[in-house]
Amino acid sequence: QQPVQSPQAVILREGEDAVINCSSSKALYSVHWYRQKHGEAPVFLMILLKGGEQKGHEKISASFNEKKQQSSLYLTASQLSYSGTYFCGTWVINAGGTSYGKLTFGQGTILTVHP
Amino acid sequence: DGGITQSPKYLFRKEGQNVTLSCEQNLNHDAMYWYRQDPGQGLRLIYYSQIVNDFQKGDIAEGYSVSREKKESFPLTVTSAQKNPTAFYLCASSLATTYTYGYTFGSGTRLTVV
Repeated sequence: QQPVQSPQAVILREGEDAVINCSSSKALYSVHWYRQKHGEAPVFLMILLKGGEQKGHEKISASFNEKKQQSSLYLTASQLSYSGTYFCGTWVINAGGTSYGKLTFGQGTILTVHP
Repeated sequence: DGGITQSPKYLFRKEGQNVTLSCEQNLNHDAMYWYRQDPGQGLRLIYYSQIVNDFQKGDIAEGYSVSREKKESFPLTVTSAQKNPTAFYLCASSLATTYTYGYTFGSGTRLTVV
Protein backbone atom coordinates (compact mmCIF):
# COMPACT_ATOMS: atom_id res chain seq x y z
CA GLN A 1 0.00 0.00 0.00
CA GLN A 2 1.27 3.44 -0.95
CA PRO A 3 2.76 5.57 1.85
CA VAL A 4 1.20 8.99 2.39
CA GLN A 5 3.33 12.10 2.20
CA SER A 6 2.55 15.50 3.67
CA PRO A 7 2.43 18.28 2.82
CA GLN A 8 1.75 17.95 -0.92
CA ALA A 9 3.65 21.16 -1.64
CA VAL A 10 5.93 23.58 0.18
CA ILE A 11 7.11 27.04 -0.85
CA LEU A 12 10.16 28.49 0.89
CA ARG A 13 12.56 31.38 0.68
CA GLU A 14 16.26 30.61 0.70
CA GLY A 15 17.50 29.92 4.20
CA GLU A 16 14.16 28.67 5.56
CA ASP A 17 13.58 25.17 6.91
CA ALA A 18 11.08 22.51 5.87
CA VAL A 19 9.86 19.13 7.07
CA ILE A 20 8.33 16.48 4.82
CA ASN A 21 6.51 13.56 6.41
CA CYS A 22 5.92 10.03 5.18
CA SER A 23 3.43 7.69 6.87
CA SER A 24 2.73 4.01 6.29
CA SER A 25 -0.17 1.83 7.37
CA LYS A 26 2.17 -1.18 7.49
CA ALA A 27 5.23 -2.03 9.57
CA LEU A 28 8.41 -1.05 7.79
CA TYR A 29 11.85 -2.49 7.22
CA SER A 30 13.22 0.67 5.70
CA VAL A 31 12.40 4.08 4.30
CA HIS A 32 14.14 5.61 1.29
CA TRP A 33 14.18 9.28 0.31
CA TYR A 34 14.68 10.56 -3.25
CA ARG A 35 14.64 13.96 -4.92
CA GLN A 36 13.52 14.45 -8.52
CA LYS A 37 14.00 17.60 -10.55
CA HIS A 38 11.52 18.26 -13.32
CA GLY A 39 11.96 15.87 -16.24
CA GLU A 40 14.93 14.14 -14.64
CA ALA A 41 15.59 10.88 -12.84
CA PRO A 42 15.00 10.63 -9.10
CA VAL A 43 18.23 10.83 -7.12
CA PHE A 44 18.81 8.74 -4.02
CA LEU A 45 19.24 10.84 -0.87
CA MET A 46 19.33 8.36 1.98
CA ILE A 47 17.94 5.17 3.42
CA LEU A 48 16.82 4.61 6.99
CA LEU A 49 16.68 1.08 8.32
CA LYS A 50 14.48 -0.62 10.88
CA GLY A 51 15.83 0.35 14.26
CA GLY A 52 14.70 3.98 14.35
CA GLU A 53 17.88 5.65 13.19
CA GLN A 54 18.43 9.18 12.08
CA LYS A 55 20.72 10.01 9.21
CA GLY A 56 22.16 13.14 7.73
CA HIS A 57 23.28 14.27 4.30
CA GLU A 58 24.73 17.81 4.10
CA LYS A 59 21.90 20.00 5.43
CA ILE A 60 19.30 17.34 4.74
CA SER A 61 18.57 14.79 7.45
CA ALA A 62 15.85 12.29 8.21
CA SER A 63 14.39 10.29 11.05
CA PHE A 64 12.52 7.00 11.15
CA ASN A 65 10.03 6.23 13.90
CA GLU A 66 9.45 2.50 13.64
CA LYS A 67 6.60 2.40 16.16
CA LYS A 68 4.66 5.12 14.41
CA GLN A 69 5.61 3.75 10.97
CA GLN A 70 6.65 7.25 9.97
CA SER A 71 9.66 9.03 8.57
CA SER A 72 10.41 12.72 8.33
CA LEU A 73 12.84 14.52 6.04
CA TYR A 74 14.36 17.73 7.41
CA LEU A 75 15.75 20.39 5.09
CA THR A 76 17.55 23.17 6.94
CA ALA A 77 18.76 26.50 5.60
CA SER A 78 17.27 25.65 2.22
CA GLN A 79 19.08 26.49 -1.01
CA LEU A 80 17.71 27.06 -4.50
CA SER A 81 19.15 23.68 -5.49
CA TYR A 82 16.81 21.94 -3.03
CA SER A 83 13.83 22.64 -5.30
CA GLY A 84 12.22 19.52 -6.71
CA THR A 85 9.81 16.76 -5.84
CA TYR A 86 10.71 14.61 -2.85
CA PHE A 87 9.55 11.01 -2.70
CA CYS A 88 9.66 8.58 0.15
CA GLY A 89 9.75 4.88 -0.60
CA THR A 90 8.80 2.27 1.94
CA TRP A 91 9.83 -1.36 2.24
CA VAL A 92 7.16 -3.20 4.19
CA ILE A 93 7.26 -6.17 6.51
CA ASN A 94 4.76 -8.76 5.37
CA ALA A 95 2.47 -10.91 7.51
CA GLY A 96 5.10 -13.62 7.76
CA GLY A 97 7.55 -11.19 9.32
CA THR A 98 9.87 -11.17 6.33
CA SER A 99 10.65 -8.30 4.02
CA TYR A 100 8.34 -7.85 1.07
CA GLY A 101 10.60 -7.52 -1.90
CA LYS A 102 9.67 -4.17 -3.36
CA LEU A 103 9.79 -0.46 -2.68
CA THR A 104 6.51 1.47 -2.81
CA PHE A 105 6.66 5.22 -3.35
CA GLY A 106 4.53 8.00 -1.97
CA GLN A 107 2.85 10.54 -4.22
CA GLY A 108 5.61 13.10 -3.73
CA THR A 109 6.01 16.54 -2.12
CA ILE A 110 6.82 19.48 -4.39
CA LEU A 111 9.37 21.79 -2.77
CA THR A 112 9.96 25.22 -4.30
CA VAL A 113 12.70 27.49 -2.97
CA HIS A 114 12.65 31.15 -4.01
CA PRO A 115 15.54 33.63 -3.74
CA ASP B 1 31.35 6.21 -14.83
CA GLY B 2 28.78 3.60 -13.89
CA GLY B 3 25.13 4.26 -14.43
CA ILE B 4 21.88 3.37 -16.13
CA THR B 5 21.17 4.26 -19.75
CA GLN B 6 17.62 4.44 -21.00
CA SER B 7 16.75 4.90 -24.65
CA PRO B 8 15.14 6.52 -26.42
CA LYS B 9 14.53 9.69 -24.41
CA TYR B 10 11.28 10.37 -26.28
CA LEU B 11 9.10 7.79 -28.03
CA PHE B 12 5.90 8.15 -29.98
CA ARG B 13 3.61 5.20 -30.49
CA LYS B 14 0.61 4.75 -32.71
CA GLU B 15 -2.50 3.06 -31.40
CA GLY B 16 -2.17 -0.73 -31.61
CA GLN B 17 1.62 -0.81 -31.78
CA ASN B 18 4.02 -2.53 -29.45
CA VAL B 19 7.10 -0.55 -28.46
CA THR B 20 10.20 -1.56 -26.53
CA LEU B 21 12.05 0.69 -24.10
CA SER B 22 15.70 -0.06 -23.51
CA CYS B 23 17.45 -0.10 -20.13
CA GLU B 24 21.13 -0.95 -19.72
CA GLN B 25 23.25 -0.71 -16.55
CA ASN B 26 26.98 -1.11 -15.96
CA LEU B 27 26.82 -0.99 -12.17
CA ASN B 28 26.97 -4.78 -11.80
CA HIS B 29 23.67 -4.64 -9.95
CA ASP B 30 21.64 -7.82 -9.65
CA ALA B 31 18.21 -6.20 -9.32
CA MET B 32 16.44 -4.08 -11.91
CA TYR B 33 13.06 -2.36 -11.93
CA TRP B 34 10.62 -0.56 -14.19
CA TYR B 35 8.44 2.23 -12.84
CA ARG B 36 5.77 4.32 -14.48
CA GLN B 37 5.25 7.97 -13.51
CA ASP B 38 2.16 9.97 -14.42
CA PRO B 39 1.93 13.76 -13.94
CA GLY B 40 1.59 14.71 -10.30
CA GLN B 41 1.80 11.12 -9.15
CA GLY B 42 4.35 8.92 -7.55
CA LEU B 43 6.21 6.04 -9.10
CA ARG B 44 4.30 2.82 -9.67
CA LEU B 45 6.12 -0.47 -10.08
CA ILE B 46 5.54 -2.35 -13.34
CA TYR B 47 8.00 -5.27 -13.16
CA TYR B 48 11.17 -6.14 -11.29
CA SER B 49 13.90 -8.70 -11.67
CA GLN B 50 16.15 -10.09 -8.97
CA ILE B 51 18.43 -12.14 -11.21
CA VAL B 52 18.91 -13.08 -14.84
CA ASN B 53 16.04 -15.06 -16.38
CA ASP B 54 13.74 -14.23 -13.50
CA PHE B 55 11.24 -11.41 -13.05
CA GLN B 56 8.08 -10.65 -11.08
CA LYS B 57 5.02 -8.54 -11.72
CA GLY B 58 4.69 -5.28 -9.87
CA ASP B 59 1.51 -3.37 -9.11
CA ILE B 60 0.56 -2.43 -12.69
CA ALA B 61 1.97 -5.17 -14.94
CA GLU B 62 -1.06 -5.55 -17.23
CA GLY B 63 -0.21 -4.56 -20.79
CA TYR B 64 3.55 -4.75 -20.24
CA SER B 65 6.17 -7.45 -20.70
CA VAL B 66 9.86 -7.72 -19.83
CA SER B 67 12.84 -9.99 -20.32
CA ARG B 68 16.12 -10.40 -18.44
CA GLU B 69 18.47 -12.38 -20.61
CA LYS B 70 21.57 -10.50 -19.49
CA LYS B 71 22.47 -9.00 -16.13
CA GLU B 72 23.05 -5.61 -17.74
CA SER B 73 19.80 -5.35 -19.68
CA PHE B 74 16.11 -5.20 -18.73
CA PRO B 75 13.98 -4.06 -21.70
CA LEU B 76 10.31 -3.19 -21.25
CA THR B 77 7.74 -3.79 -23.99
CA VAL B 78 4.57 -1.72 -23.90
CA THR B 79 2.00 -3.80 -25.74
CA SER B 80 -1.18 -2.77 -27.51
CA ALA B 81 -3.06 -4.22 -24.51
CA GLN B 82 -1.91 -1.27 -22.39
CA LYS B 83 -4.84 1.11 -22.80
CA ASN B 84 -3.24 4.26 -21.47
CA PRO B 85 0.50 4.03 -22.12
CA THR B 86 1.32 7.75 -22.27
CA ALA B 87 3.65 8.31 -19.30
CA PHE B 88 7.23 8.78 -18.13
CA TYR B 89 8.98 5.43 -17.71
CA LEU B 90 11.88 5.03 -15.33
CA CYS B 91 14.26 2.12 -15.06
CA ALA B 92 16.19 1.57 -11.84
CA SER B 93 18.68 -0.87 -10.40
CA SER B 94 20.01 -1.84 -6.99
CA LEU B 95 22.70 -4.16 -5.70
CA ALA B 96 19.99 -6.64 -4.66
CA THR B 97 16.28 -6.69 -3.88
CA THR B 98 16.66 -6.28 -0.19
CA TYR B 99 15.56 -3.41 1.96
CA THR B 100 19.08 -2.16 2.65
CA TYR B 101 20.04 -0.87 -0.80
CA GLY B 102 19.11 2.38 -2.49
CA TYR B 103 18.08 2.57 -6.11
CA THR B 104 19.89 4.19 -9.02
CA PHE B 105 17.56 5.52 -11.69
CA GLY B 106 18.02 6.09 -15.39
CA SER B 107 17.03 9.40 -16.99
CA GLY B 108 13.73 8.04 -18.26
CA THR B 109 11.78 7.57 -21.49
CA ARG B 110 8.76 9.74 -22.19
CA LEU B 111 6.23 7.71 -24.20
CA THR B 112 3.40 9.42 -26.03
CA VAL B 113 0.59 7.74 -27.95
CA VAL B 114 -0.32 9.59 -31.12
